[in-house]
Amino acid sequence: DAGVTQSPTHLIKTRGQQVTLRCSPISGHKSVSWYQQVLGQGPQFIFQYYEKEERGRGNFPDRFSARQFPNYSSELNVNALLLGDSALYLCASSFRVRGSYEQYFGPGTRLTVT
Amino acid sequence: QKEVEQNSGPLSVPEGAIASLNCTYSDRGSQSFFWYRQYSGKSPELIMFIYSNGDKEDGRFTAQLNKASQYVSLLIRDSQPSDSATYLCAVNDPEYGNKLVFGAGTILRVKS
Repeated sequence: DAGVTQSPTHLIKTRGQQVTLRCSPISGHKSVSWYQQVLGQGPQFIFQYYEKEERGRGNFPDRFSARQFPNYSSELNVNALLLGDSALYLCASSFRVRGSYEQYFGPGTRLTVT
Repeated sequence: QKEVEQNSGPLSVPEGAIASLNCTYSDRGSQSFFWYRQYSGKSPELIMFIYSNGDKEDGRFTAQLNKASQYVSLLIRDSQPSDSATYLCAVNDPEYGNKLVFGAGTILRVKS
């Protein structure tokens, strides 16, 4: 089975622009989460979606938004980009096992804001 | 604020030795604990998860959990140069079943 896929792999944007990142989960997984990883730090939770509904939101400004589609794929949108938004954006696909979720990450999208 | 603490390292061990990676967490309500391996420039890869107190072994990896002490560790036996990576400890946030709180990671270097 294919793993989590993300596109694009790399992206360079200018301050003030908008960006859309895409993710397709592992087949059969209904939950998608988004994380931001800045160099030298662990991933930080941005959003979780399950069955097209937002189930959790991290401490990120309203410039960040996301949605999940009927086929469980997801998009993360970031408006009015700042230099500090430069990071690796990770999508995680998960399924529930014994009351917990095992999350598997995609390859990530490296966003550079200049 | 929920926190996960790890020693940033680098932890250097000779090839064939046991590498011991440690992690503490702040929220006693956390129930699920994960170890991810991240090679430079790559995304995190799930290598171990543990839900119950005690040890869980998978090949050369052993995860250990002590909920009373809020401590989780990862042992890597017979360390290989290919094990050189950053190891991230992650703990679920009990307020959101699917949200993981990550530590900053420990850099492991295995010297041949």
